[in-house]
Amino acid sequence: DGGITQSPKYLFRKEGQNVTLSCEQNLNHDAMYWYRQDPGQGLRLIYYSQIVNDFQKGDIAEGYSVSREKKESFPLTVTSAQKNPTAFYLCASDRGQSNEQFFGPGTRLTVL
Amino acid sequence: GNSVTQMEGPVTLSEEAFLTINCTYTATGYPSLFWYVQYPGEGLQLLLKATKADDKGSNKGFEATYRKETTSFHLEKGSVQVSDSAVYFCALTFTSGTYKYIFGTGTRLKVLA
Repeated sequence: DGGITQSPKYLFRKEGQNVTLSCEQNLNHDAMYWYRQDPGQGLRLIYYSQIVNDFQKGDIAEGYSVSREKKESFPLTVTSAQKNPTAFYLCASDRGQSNEQFFGPGTRLTVL
Repeated sequence: GNSVTQMEGPVTLSEEAFLTINCTYTATGYPSLFWYVQYPGEGLQLLLKATKADDKGSNKGFEATYRKETTSFHLEKGSVQVSDSAVYFCALTFTSGTYKYIFGTGTRLKVLA
């Protein structure tokens, strides 16, 4: 079955540590996205990539980094510079041009 | 700029009640409009979409009509079920440019048996 996988589902880290969240898709989509969701709030765009080896900052990129070395993969690193990293992180992909976005199940990151 | 505004929740209804969740948008140009649904602890799933004015999207008993004159895309369902309890997001995107989506803040629906 085609889809998007995110791992792990729950992640705990100590303050000051970098952590990388995985996102893999087998939908052959060119575009991939990372969103952050806080309780009672909507989705805020962190980074997006429309093609391999290229990505752009979203609305809240500070303290995050990404790479897009393969079409299928778009990992997100939450660095120690992110002041409030505890949140639910969602990865998505689409074919571009106003097509439907497909979402992964999300990773809940808790920084202790 | 471009934005999406949804009615604040939570919305609490009894089973078989009529549902309306309001969504209005501000956009420079002609966006495509979407409703997504999020069940607890999961990612978002597309519920329905409309790509041009007067289009009606429908799925699983839910409907929404793209109203250009009122810049609205209200979600409706004639008879809700307990299983419809979730958070609903209205969103827009464009056919050209960066293809970024803009999401509303979400409306939580709770349906009581």
